[in-house]
Amino acid sequence: DTGVSQDPRHKITKRGQNVTFRCDPISEHNRLYWYRQTLGQGPEFLTYFQNEAQLEKSRLLSDRFSAERPKGSFSTLEIQRTEQGDSAMYLCASSLAQGRAEAFFGQGTRLTVV
Amino acid sequence: GEDVEQSLFLSVREGDSSVINCTYTDSSSTYLYWYKQEPGAGLQLLTYIFSNMDMKQDQRLTVLLNKKDKHLSLRIADTQTGDSAIYFCAESLTGTASKLTFGTGTRLQVTL
Repeated sequence: DTGVSQDPRHKITKRGQNVTFRCDPISEHNRLYWYRQTLGQGPEFLTYFQNEAQLEKSRLLSDRFSAERPKGSFSTLEIQRTEQGDSAMYLCASSLAQGRAEAFFGQGTRLTVV
Repeated sequence: GEDVEQSLFLSVREGDSSVINCTYTDSSSTYLYWYKQEPGAGLQLLTYIFSNMDMKQDQRLTVLLNKKDKHLSLRIADTQTGDSAIYFCAESLTGTASKLTFGTGTRLQVTL
């Protein structure tokens, strides 16, 4: 296993279009997190799953954002009716729920809304 | 509330030691982390420290934690040009990795 994988790495979309990103966590990790990072800032928490259950969502996650992890493995993050303010790096991380403190990040998906 | 602060920029000469500082406000933090981010890339976990520890050393990296002052530092010995990156500290409130609250990052520039 080579780590957390995100696809695509880059996405350019027109305002108003829908986009979907995918994250494949480290295979034995049952927790999966989504973060958003804008230029010059640290990552901000969006949501996280334990197995297939979405346990917490940030107030940053507006109604246009939805995340799923249907089988407790990969996850998707969809943004509907994209706005220019959605332009950011979307980072996925995974960890074990118990016994270990480390969360490992993927390379991120950079979204540009034009 | 949760708030993590870092200075924005640090410049050091190759071979010198770098010290990157971080302050946090939530005294219930259980784990504190240091991540490294190179341009256009994701975050690489460097090290972390449990809140009941004062110090952790891992090769060239030394983490110091002062719980009383809520101050965390990362010392990089013998800094190399490959250490040039943005360094983020982050805190977690639960016993295992859960959602992390990040600082704004410190850009480390290593000069020859």
